[in-house]
Amino acid sequence: GQSLEQPSEVTAVEGAIVQINCTYQTSGFYGLSWYQQHDGGAPTFLSYNALDGLEETGRFSSFLSRSDSYGYLLLQELQMKDSASYFCAVEKEGFQKLVFGTGTRLLVSP
Amino acid sequence: NAGVTQTPKFQVLKTGQSMTLQCAQDMNHNSMYWYRQDPGMGLRLIYYSASEGTTDKGEVPNGYNVSRLNKREFSLRLESAAPSQTSVYFCASSEEEGNQPQHFGDGTRLSIL
Repeated sequence: GQSLEQPSEVTAVEGAIVQINCTYQTSGFYGLSWYQQHDGGAPTFLSYNALDGLEETGRFSSFLSRSDSYGYLLLQELQMKDSASYFCAVEKEGFQKLVFGTGTRLLVSP
Repeated sequence: NAGVTQTPKFQVLKTGQSMTLQCAQDMNHNSMYWYRQDPGMGLRLIYYSASEGTTDKGEVPNGYNVSRLNKREFSLRLESAAPSQTSVYFCASSEEEGNQPQHFGDGTRLSIL
């Protein structure tokens, strides 16, 4: 089987930097994705890592270490609109489907 | 620029009733997916369709059936609804099976009494 672990909740203030970690246990790992979901909304894609290292997209960056079965999402210059749930998801080789973690709720305060 | 459209947005059913959730995408994607999301949980894959004419079970297929009607449309059917199927259902699509990103619809909020 497979499992993903991420913190249930993280709090931060506007302008700060926050890191949301994700550890996974799975066979046939192919890649790690991050999705954002606002309350009552649809998940939206943020980033994808198949290789070790850092991927940067504007204020958001995502990191992957395949040897450590670990990744993180880094959000910089936090804004109130970043308050949402963030899900990591593992893509498995051969199955080509996503398995989602239970999500991290980020609360950004003024 | 609709993307993925789900209907209905809300529905209340009685135990034992049947219902079909509709999903259509206008991005010419090959692969489509149905997920359910329960409170405090991530999304769990119910069924997926890698391409037109094929469907496969996901993580939680029991109690559901699907139809890939054509390249655009992928429906999810509950034949005899149970309270345990109360959930938010999301449809998603991607260019190819497993490709990122997956594009999600706005969801169907289904309550079964």
